[in-house]
Amino acid sequence: DAGVIQSPRHEVTEMGQEVTLRCKPISGHNSLFWYRQTMMRGLELLIYFNNNVPIDDSGMPEDRFSAKMPNASFSTLKIQPSEPRDSAVYFCASSPRLAGEGTQYFGPGTRLTVL
Amino acid sequence: KNEVEQSPQNLTAQEGEFITINCSYSVGISALHWLQQHPGGGIVSLFMLSSGKKKHGRLIATINIQEKHSSLHITASHPRDSAVYICAVEGANFGNEKLTFGTGTRLTIIP
Repeated sequence: DAGVIQSPRHEVTEMGQEVTLRCKPISGHNSLFWYRQTMMRGLELLIYFNNNVPIDDSGMPEDRFSAKMPNASFSTLKIQPSEPRDSAVYFCASSPRLAGEGTQYFGPGTRLTVL
Repeated sequence: KNEVEQSPQNLTAQEGEFITINCSYSVGISALHWLQQHPGGGIVSLFMLSSGKKKHGRLIATINIQEKHSSLHITASHPRDSAVYICAVEGANFGNEKLTFGTGTRLTIIP
């Protein structure tokens, strides 16, 4: 299996622009997670889906952030409008979430820089 | 006070030394995860455990639910073990997989 795939790997944009991050989870995994990592705050969960349904979005910072999972093999995280404080590495992870097995498999991350 | 505390924040050791990284948490949990983040930024899940002990190669993870404490041990440490090790907990709410993370322990193994 190719693992969790994220695109783009790097994104540089200007303040006010819309940014869309993409994630393809491991086939057969039914949970998908979006995380953000910064030097100041470390790793934080933004939102996670189970069977394509958002379960916990308490970490989504504000209305500028939105996430969708239209099917089991694709998810997007959108920031509109972007701000410099959104600069971070965004990780997507997936999990099979079987009984007793919740190991999360992380993608390589998208490094976002908002100028 | 953070819900998940790790110690030490930084650890430098000589190759071959036995390494212990500690994680304490203040909330009820259903499971605890240990993750490894390589210098290049990639994150790998090492262990998920809810009781007792797990072992994989030179890595051992233990958890004491009553004391709300977990340890990650590395035997015969090697420079390639140099990484940031992150502890994360899943809340006790059944079915909620949300992870709360510690701030990580930066491990450097000197040849």
